[in-house]
Amino acid sequence: GAGVSQSPSNKVTEKGKDVELRCDPISGHTALYWYRQSLGQGLEFLIYFQGNSAPDKSGLPSDRFSAERTGGSVSTLTIQRTQQEDSAVYLCASSFSILSNQPQHFGDGTRLSIL
Amino acid sequence: QKEVEQNSGPLSVPEGAIASLNCTYSDRGSQSFFWYRQYSGKSPELIMFIYSNGDKEDGRFTAQLNKASQYVSLLIRDSQPSDSATYLCAVTLSGSARQLTFGSGTQLTVLP
Repeated sequence: GAGVSQSPSNKVTEKGKDVELRCDPISGHTALYWYRQSLGQGLEFLIYFQGNSAPDKSGLPSDRFSAERTGGSVSTLTIQRTQQEDSAVYLCASSFSILSNQPQHFGDGTRLSIL
Repeated sequence: QKEVEQNSGPLSVPEGAIASLNCTYSDRGSQSFFWYRQYSGKSPELIMFIYSNGDKEDGRFTAQLNKASQYVSLLIRDSQPSDSATYLCAVTLSGSARQLTFGSGTQLTVLP
């Protein structure tokens, strides 16, 4: 496909479990971003990758969150010991480069529900 | 003061009218400005971006940027019911130019 692909589209899990969310960016896009959108909240930036490197991890909400990117392509966002406040839609975006004027294109998101 | 502010609405306009959506930002050094449309239950879809002062037109959409007054607006001409959505203003701030900072969005309803 031509767009950003995210999986799973929906994930329901019990509190305390670990979850892994996947993002496959647009082919040729070197920059990849993770955001989350909670009910009634705006879009919150989590982390970005330039290639396989994540220079700034300060947007991650806690040390239970981690992300990696391999081969300059697919990225995974992992949440350990999930809490109910982690329930949100997790959105991945990619852009051609990390330059600030490059538009970011979003995937359909993963809707995460913590019971 | 929020970094990016939008009137949450809801904003209702009749079909065929011009819808005007406004956004202000606090960081004078902000460089790039984007408008996204988000239908309920869907992800944001890029519809316009602007970097320089003035107007930028694309079909029925016009983005307007005024850096001196720190606002950016989106005009939708000949509004259609299919334009009903939440419109998100996003800005790359000078201190964090690698990420988008979003406003809370304006909910637009176009009435048939």
